Amino acid sequence: DSGVTQTPKHLITATGQRVTLRCSPRSGDLSVYWYQQSLDQGLQFLIQYYNGEERAKGNILERFSAQQFPDLHSELNLSSLELGDSALYFCASSPRARWPGELFFGEGSRLTVL
Amino acid sequence: AQTVTQSQPEMSVQEAETVTLSCTYDTSESDYYLFWYKQPPSRQMILVIRQEAYKQQNATENRFSVNFQKAAKSFSLKISDSQLGDAAMYFCAYRRINTGTASKLTFGTGTRLQVTL
Repeated sequence: DSGVTQTPKHLITATGQRVTLRCSPRSGDLSVYWYQQSLDQGLQFLIQYYNGEERAKGNILERFSAQQFPDLHSELNLSSLELGDSALYFCASSPRARWPGELFFGEGSRLTVL
Repeated sequence: AQTVTQSQPEMSVQEAETVTLSCTYDTSESDYYLFWYKQPPSRQMILVIRQEAYKQQNATENRFSVNFQKAAKSFSLKISDSQLGDAAMYFCAYRRINTGTASKLTFGTGTRLQVTL
């Protein structure tokens, strides 16, 4: 157990809909990262937040948005969903700045768009 | 931009044998970290081993060791005495050292390892 909690674990929805994925980082971790893993592919970085502020952006679509709240949990909002958005969405966290170690990953939220 | 390349989409090893997974990366930075993550069928991302670029000594964790060649920008993972539980997708990852906030991981495309009896 990494200490990172993601909900929901599974989500099935239809094209055109909007969903929200939630992430609670490890206790004390300030930085949250979102990654997308499409079927049998690598992890693509979407966005990073640090202590409530956006710090880095990857290949995140305009239909997607995220935020980190004062209690440090984060939400990833996916709207106008398309079939190609079906993927496993990972949240990861890490502690303070200049943390020399790895990111701690949640178990992922599997999104299926029908 | 940093890139990570894993040129072996699939590998197979017999139980109790040794296998090496390859990884190369491209960066202009001198200080960074490298990682191998394992993703079993459960899809959980599990850290296997990490290497700090400033350390010349290769990292080792039980049956897992790396061959870090900084000049060649190569970071291979050796699994000794392979076990059935080692079957998984293995991802190589790179992380630069920021002077400010902690930075993201850049992943390779992964190598699927099969372990046979």
